[in-house]
Amino acid sequence: QKEVEQDPGPLSVPEGAIVSLNCTYSNSAFQYFMWYRQYSRKGPELLMYTYSSGNKEDGRFTAQVDKSSKYISLFIRDSQPSDSATYLCAMKYGNQFYFGTGTSLTVIP
Amino acid sequence: NAGVMQNPRHLVRRRGQEARLRCSPMKGHSHVYWYRQLPEEGLKFMVYLQKENIIDESGMPKERFSAEFPKEGPSILRIQQVVRGDSAAYFCASSPLHGNTEAFFGQGTRLTVV
Repeated sequence: QKEVEQDPGPLSVPEGAIVSLNCTYSNSAFQYFMWYRQYSRKGPELLMYTYSSGNKEDGRFTAQVDKSSKYISLFIRDSQPSDSATYLCAMKYGNQFYFGTGTSLTVIP
Repeated sequence: NAGVMQNPRHLVRRRGQEARLRCSPMKGHSHVYWYRQLPEEGLKFMVYLQKENIIDESGMPKERFSAEFPKEGPSILRIQQVVRGDSAAYFCASSPLHGNTEAFFGQGTRLTVV
């Protein structure tokens, strides 16, 4: 069993839709939770991070963590074509970041 | 404020040659991570360094791979006697403090072994 599971998609939505991206994890020791966005052939770009259960909002993005269920989500409101990318969840424990395999998102104009 | 700089962006090596990948962290950052990304497999941790010290190399293959972060200059990931299976994108990330949750990635070096 992988430590971080993420549905690879691909996910295709119309412009303006609400997007929900999810990850589950198995290691209850994970303390910090992050979402990265990666455009094709580019490096991952940090979008959001949080360390507690609950919601954190930043503009059109909301990160949600449920430690009891070992489940994290990223919601994107009013999705734009420029949001088309691969979204990686990541979790930190000790010295390492543990990444999901990424969900490919396409927002259709 | 320049981001994490990696070079070269693309590197082609023949089997048996050495590959050297360089990473300059963000200004003020003293900790560097190296990750490898293979298609469909996500980012895999390789090594975590601070200047002049390897903190965690548990993700590094036991042979042919080494990393350093000298007092002056960039961090170097060295792969000796490359094989086709080493072909991948190698990403460096930096953070300002040990244990800091925010790590910022470079654009990566895409290594192709022919």
